[in-house]
Amino acid sequence: DSGVTQTPKHLITATGQRVTLRCSPRSGDLSVYWYQQSLDQGLQFLIQYYNGEERAKGNILERFSAQQFPDLHSELNLSSLELGDSALYFCASSAHPIGGIDEQYFGPGTRLTVT
Amino acid sequence: GIQVEQSPPDLILQEGANSTLRCNFSDSVNNLQWFHQNPWGQLINLFYIPSGTKQNGRLSATTVATERYSLLYISSSQTTDSGVYFCAVRGNQFYFGTGTSLTVIP
Repeated sequence: DSGVTQTPKHLITATGQRVTLRCSPRSGDLSVYWYQQSLDQGLQFLIQYYNGEERAKGNILERFSAQQFPDLHSELNLSSLELGDSALYFCASSAHPIGGIDEQYFGPGTRLTVT
Repeated sequence: GIQVEQSPPDLILQEGANSTLRCNFSDSVNNLQWFHQNPWGQLINLFYIPSGTKQNGRLSATTVATERYSLLYISSSQTTDSGVYFCAVRGNQFYFGTGTSLTVIP
């Protein structure tokens, strides 16, 4: 157990809908990262937050947004869902941002199926 | 962005055999991690190794940052080692390789 929790574990929804994925980092970790893993794209970095602020951005679609709250949990919002958004969404956390040891620990993932 | 290439893409081993997995990256990186994704999908940390050599039981890893590659050694493989091994690097963001799928047969 990495100490990173994600809810829900599974999510099935229809095209055009909006969903929210939740992540709680390891105790004491200030950075949260979101990744998408699909069969055709592999593991793709989406976005990083550090202590409530956006720190790095990857291949995140405009339909997707994220935030990190004062208690350090993070939410990833996916809207206007398309079939191609079906994937495993991982959250990871680390203690330090750039310049420090940002060893990431991954949560169990949320499997999203869009029908 | 940084290109991360892993080889071989697939590997089948007899239990007890040794193997070496390679990760090449195209630019200078701030860190490098190796992960094992088990058959249940969980990503498990193996090594945080931006440079140098580390060992943990039957696994060890070496990163030569100046030559832009890292190696993961698995000795005396077990069926529980099966899964996909990823390396990930950090430049201005994080980049994962495409992985090496390892199957260990009894």
